[in-house]
Amino acid sequence: AQSVTQLDSQVPVFEEAPVELRCNYSSSVSVYLFWYVQYPNQGLQLLLKYLSGSTLVKGINGFEAEFNKSQTSFHLRKPSVHISDTAEYFCAVRTYNQGGKLIFGQGTELSVKP
Amino acid sequence: DVKVTQSSRYLVKRTGEKVFLECVQDMDHENMFWYRQDPGLGLRLIYFSYDVKMKEKGDIPEGYSVSREKKERFSLILESASTNQTSMYLCASSPLAAGTRRNTIYFGEGSWLTVV
Repeated sequence: AQSVTQLDSQVPVFEEAPVELRCNYSSSVSVYLFWYVQYPNQGLQLLLKYLSGSTLVKGINGFEAEFNKSQTSFHLRKPSVHISDTAEYFCAVRTYNQGGKLIFGQGTELSVKP
Repeated sequence: DVKVTQSSRYLVKRTGEKVFLECVQDMDHENMFWYRQDPGLGLRLIYFSYDVKMKEKGDIPEGYSVSREKKERFSLILESASTNQTSMYLCASSPLAAGTRRNTIYFGEGSWLTVV
């Protein structure tokens, strides 16, 4: 079975500072990796995904993530955050030996302060 | 753009009522999913479907059932609502496209259900 652990439930940071949201996964098979963002009272929006190829993936809103197979990690980074980045962020893995379902981490609440 | 539409954003139901949550997608996707979201627990999969009339249990199917009579519509049913089913419910869909750039799951806006 697959599982996802987001190592921080809350991350407070000042505006224009860099941020890293950590995600580790476990799986016995190859996985596809995703980061989603959820703004208050909204559904989930895809930030970026890793399917294959280059391990550094760039997404929307200036976010990027690096797939590290040896450490089974997929950390999300942004060099300079804005107030508007305040949201909850979810890391997820997907395989195709279980019907293609997406397994989510518990979420990280990013709070950007002025 | 892909659109996943959940018919009700906010519902209040009484304990013991039968509740239907409807979801429609407009992109001819094969896969559809129902998740439940609770603080500190992330999103947990209730049921999913990879074809019409096909369904598979997710991680927390107890107390729920689903129906997929048409490809574009996936309904979540609470046979007898209970207070511990108060939650945010998210519907999602995706194409069957494992290793391609189309490999993405698209989410609806969510349905907030309160059971009193």
